[in-house]
Parts: sequence; C-alpha cells; structure tokens
Amino acid sequence: SAVISQKPSRDICQRGTSLTIQCQVDSQVTMMFWYRQQPGQSLTLIATANQGSEATYESGFVIDKFPISRPNLTFSTLTVSNMSPEDSSIYLCSVEDPGSSSYNEQFFGPGTRLTVL
Amino acid sequence: QKEVEQDPGPLSVPEGAIVSLNCTYSNSAFQYFMWYRQYSRKGPELLMYTYSSGNKEDGRFTAQVDKSSKYISLFIRDSQPSDSATYLCAMSGGGNNRLAFGKGNQVVVIP
Repeated sequence: SAVISQKPSRDICQRGTSLTIQCQVDSQVTMMFWYRQQPGQSLTLIATANQGSEATYESGFVIDKFPISRPNLTFSTLTVSNMSPEDSSIYLCSVEDPGSSSYNEQFFGPGTRLTVL
Repeated sequence: QKEVEQDPGPLSVPEGAIVSLNCTYSNSAFQYFMWYRQYSRKGPELLMYTYSSGNKEDGRFTAQVDKSSKYISLFIRDSQPSDSATYLCAMSGGGNNRLAFGKGNQVVVIP
C-alpha cells in the first residue's frame, strides 16, 4: 500500500489566478496520476506523470492549463492555471500500488477541493 | 454512449439489507474491473479487484463480472452504517494505460 498526502486540502481562489497542488507519497513509485472529480461526473484522468519525462495528457487537457512537475519518485505537483469557475472541482492524485505490477491497483490521495469565484 | 455507465442513485437501505450496485460498459477490451469506495471528503480506496469474468468474494462483499453482457455488479451483504459511502466502478484494458470510472453510486445505510 501507499500513503498519499495532498496540499492544500481545500482552497478558494479568484478567477484568473493559478493554484499549485502538491502530492507526496511515502514510498517510491514510477507512475503518478492526476484526476479531476466534478460533482455528478465521473472521475476523470487529467494526466499521467512519470519521473524524468514529460507528463502525458488525456484528451481535453493541455499542459498550458495544467502544468505538472515530477521531480522525483515520491512527489508531484499539478498547477491549475488562469482559473475560471468551471475549474471548481476536487483534484486527486493517485499512484500505482508499489507492490503490484498492475497500474490498475491505484491508491488515491485525500483530494484538494478547489472553488473558483 | 458513455464508456462506463453507473446510476448515481442515491440508494438508501436499512441496516442488514443487501446492497446491489452495478455498472455497464461499452468497451469490449476492458479486462480489469474494480470497485472503489469513497467516504465523504476522502479519496477513493480500492475495495474489490477482478480480472475477466467471474465472481470474487471478500467478506461481506461480492463482485461479479459478466463480460458477455458488459455488466459488473457489487453486492454488500448484511450492510452496516459504516458502509455508507459512494461506490465507484472502474475498469481498464486493451493496452490503454488508464482507468475508466463510473459516476459513482451513493449508498446510505440507515440504522
């Protein structure tokens, strides 16, 4: 298993500003994932972040809007840039189970609840 | 058609009842099927993990997969108030390195 922490747990931001969310894992993992969870919607993958390489973004998500850093095997950040009220959501990071060869078994952080005014 | 369909509920049941949840999907390449449980203001936690068709039982929880019908189910026996949470189905396969989630089904177990 893996223990994941996220900072901040919640924030209220003004339109046009940016917020950086941090994700810290208690063990080294190869793959980290960033998701968005909007009310009434499916958990949606934003991007996959591997250490030492550029993040891979899903359709509908772009690096300019959601830049990601992955400086080492235990840490990643997601920035939500030039925010609008439509970006209000819960943002979650997850990691593959370090003890499993399958990326299907993912552990999630507690999430960051973002409100954009 | 959405890749994964899950009726969001909510579903209220009395304590001790059987809870039945299900998801349908459209991608026949899916081979891995999961159920996650998410308590309020927490991240999802993996509850059940099944590969291909069949049943898997873990305590009060049973997961079923019917690939021919593209239908998966989760049953909770002897439900407890502590089972009150949102349950999300998820699936993957076909060489695509991502999980596809349902919208989640909110369950409330009434004491």
